[in-house]
Amino acid sequence: SQTIHQWPATLVQPVGSPLSLECTVEGTSNPNLYWYRQAAGRGLQLLFYSVGIGQISSEVPQNLSASRPQDRQFILSSKKLLLSDSGFYLCAWSIRPNSPLHFGNGTRLTVT
Amino acid sequence: AQSVTQLDSQVPVFEEAPVELRCNYSSSVSVYLFWYVQYPNQGLQLLLKYLSGSTLVKGINGFEAEFNKSQTSFHLRKPSVHISDTAEYFCAVARDDKIIFGKGTRLHILP
Repeated sequence: SQTIHQWPATLVQPVGSPLSLECTVEGTSNPNLYWYRQAAGRGLQLLFYSVGIGQISSEVPQNLSASRPQDRQFILSSKKLLLSDSGFYLCAWSIRPNSPLHFGNGTRLTVT
Repeated sequence: AQSVTQLDSQVPVFEEAPVELRCNYSSSVSVYLFWYVQYPNQGLQLLLKYLSGSTLVKGINGFEAEFNKSQTSFHLRKPSVHISDTAEYFCAVARDDKIIFGKGTRLHILP
C-alpha cells in the first residue's frame, strides 16, 4: 500500500534562517506531488505541484521554493524565512491529475 | 475559473442530531468534487468524492453528499453525529489538474 511521510512534525525557526521540509511517498511511482499551506481561517493554499522529476509549478509568488530531486521526493525550501511563513504545511500526492489527494500529517512551522 | 465556497465557518450541533455542511462551487465545465476531514494537528483524510454517475455519494463514517448541478452545490450530510465527528471539514474541486479547497467548516458537537 502507498504511504506518505512528511517531516519534521513541528519546527521553530528564527526569522532569516533557511528552511527545508521533506516529503516522500512509498508504494507508487510517478505520483503527482503537492505542497499546501494552511493558515487559520483561510483553508488550504496550494503552493507548488509537480507532475514529474524536476517539474515544478508555482501557484503563488512567495518566499518559498520547491524541488523534486527524485520521483517520490518533494522538498519545500526557503533561503530566509519571514514571520509570515508560519503555518501548517501539508504534502500530498495523487495518482493522476484531478484524482483524490492523500495527505501527510503536516509540519507545524513557527517563525519567531 | 473554479472556486469553492463554504458558507459556514463553524457549525454547532447536538450529539445524535443531523447535520448539513454547505458547499457551493463555480464551474462552467465538468467537475470533480471532494469532501475531506481534518482532525486536530493531522493531515486531511478523504471522506467522499464525486467524479460522475449517481449524484448521491456515500462516504466513510456515515457521511454522504449530493451533487446538485442546477444549484452548483455539493452539501455534506450525516443523519446522526457523534462526538468523534468533531473536526474541520473541507470541500474541494478539481481545476486544471489541481485540487482547490474551500476555507473549511469547523463542526462542533455539543453534548
